[in-house]
Amino acid sequence: QKEVEQNSGPLSVPEGAIASLNCTYSDRGSQSFFWYRQYSGKSPELIMFIYSNGDKEDGRFTAQLNKASQYVSLLIRDSQPSDSATYLCAANAGGTSYGKLTFGQGTILTVHP
Amino acid sequence: GAGVSQSPSNKVTEKGKDVELRCDPISGHTALYWYRQSLGQGLEFLIYFQGNSAPDKSGLPSDRFSAERTGGSVSTLTIQRTQQEDSAVYLCASSPPPGTTQYFGPGTRLTVL
Repeated sequence: QKEVEQNSGPLSVPEGAIASLNCTYSDRGSQSFFWYRQYSGKSPELIMFIYSNGDKEDGRFTAQLNKASQYVSLLIRDSQPSDSATYLCAANAGGTSYGKLTFGQGTILTVHP
Repeated sequence: GAGVSQSPSNKVTEKGKDVELRCDPISGHTALYWYRQSLGQGLEFLIYFQGNSAPDKSGLPSDRFSAERTGGSVSTLTIQRTQQEDSAVYLCASSPPPGTTQYFGPGTRLTVL
């Protein structure tokens, strides 16, 4: 069983639409959650992190965390073609291995003009 | 400031040879991580170092893989007797304390012929 699962893709949205990316995790000890974006052939780059239940907004991006449901999401408003990439959700391990991140398989997002 | 650097950027080797991959973390970051990403796959955790503590080696796939971190800074990932299934992009990341945002290097693409 995967520890971090992301909604199956690929996801295709028109330019200007809202893209919704979802992620669930199995380790109830996880405290920190991260969304990374990875362009083809490049390394992952951080978009947002979230530690507390609720919403966290940064520009066009909103991360949502629900620890009771073990669910994390990322909303991208006013999607642009430049947002087309693979989005990786990650959760830190609980307990003494809290430094270790477990990544989901990624969701490929395509924003078409 | 300078980001995480990795060398070489590409490595082609023959099956059975040993390879060494180098990672130079962001100055001042105490935690260093190695991941592997096979084509079209998510990130697979390999090992992480935190300060002078014993590394978390729980992700190393076999005893052919080892890593060290000298002086709390530069790290070397060594793969002995390489196999074709070792072909992947090896990514290094660093973070201030563990459990916080990880910043990735550009990766080393390893091809085992």
